[in-house]
Amino acid sequence: EPEVTQTPSHQVTQMGQEVILRCVPISNHLYFYWYRQILGQKVEFLVSFYNNEISEKSEIFDDQFSVERPDGSNFTLKIRSTKLEDSAMYFCASSEQGFNEQFFGPGTRLTVL
Amino acid sequence: KQEVTQIPAALSVPEGENLVLNCSFTDSAIYNLQWFRQDPGKGLTSLLLIQSSQREQTSGRLNASLDKSSGRSTLYIAASQPGDSATYLCAVSSNNAGNMLTFGGGTRLMVKP
Repeated sequence: EPEVTQTPSHQVTQMGQEVILRCVPISNHLYFYWYRQILGQKVEFLVSFYNNEISEKSEIFDDQFSVERPDGSNFTLKIRSTKLEDSAMYFCASSEQGFNEQFFGPGTRLTVL
Repeated sequence: KQEVTQIPAALSVPEGENLVLNCSFTDSAIYNLQWFRQDPGKGLTSLLLIQSSQREQTSGRLNASLDKSSGRSTLYIAASQPGDSATYLCAVSSNNAGNMLTFGGGTRLMVKP
C-alpha cells in the first residue's frame, strides 16, 4: 500500500542552524502539507502546497520557513535559523485532491539544542 | 476560528468493552472530519473520513458518526482489544480555511487485558 515517507526520522541541530526535512508524498497525490506537534500539544497546520505553490499557510509559517518541491517526488520543509521552540515532531501529509483524506508520514523529530 | 475539543482526554477500559470517543467543533461549516490513530512517538494513521453530507462511516469494528449542525462527532469502537490502545485524534477541514486540518487534543485510550 502506498505511503508517505519522511527522512530523517530524528534530526538534532544547534540553535541558529538551517535544517531541511524531507518527504516523499504518495505518487499520484497533488496536495502536500506540513504539520507539527510540539510535545504534549495539539497537531498544528503549517502549510499546504499545490501546483508548485503555497495554497495556505498558518501564522506559525513565518519567513524562517520555506517549502519546495525540488523534483517530481520530494517535498521539503526548510527552517532557516532554528530556535529552541522549533523542537517538535514534523509531519508531512498528502492527499489526492483538496478536501480529500489526508495521509500522514511517520514524522521527523526535530531537536534544537 | 475553528476549535476542536475531545473528551475525555484519557480513558481506560477492560478488554471487550464497547466505547465511545467524543469530538466537538465550534464552527459547523466543515467540509469533512477525519479520525486518526496515533501510537506513541509515531505518525498518524487515518481511520475514517466523513464528508459533511454523511451521517456515519464504518470500518471493521469502528463506526464514526457526524452531527454537523450540533458540531459533534463520535467514534464508536466495538469489542475493544489491547491492540486498540493508542491516542485517537479527530480533525476537521473547515469551509473557510482551505485544506488545512484543525486537530483536537486527542483521547488517550488504554485497553487492559
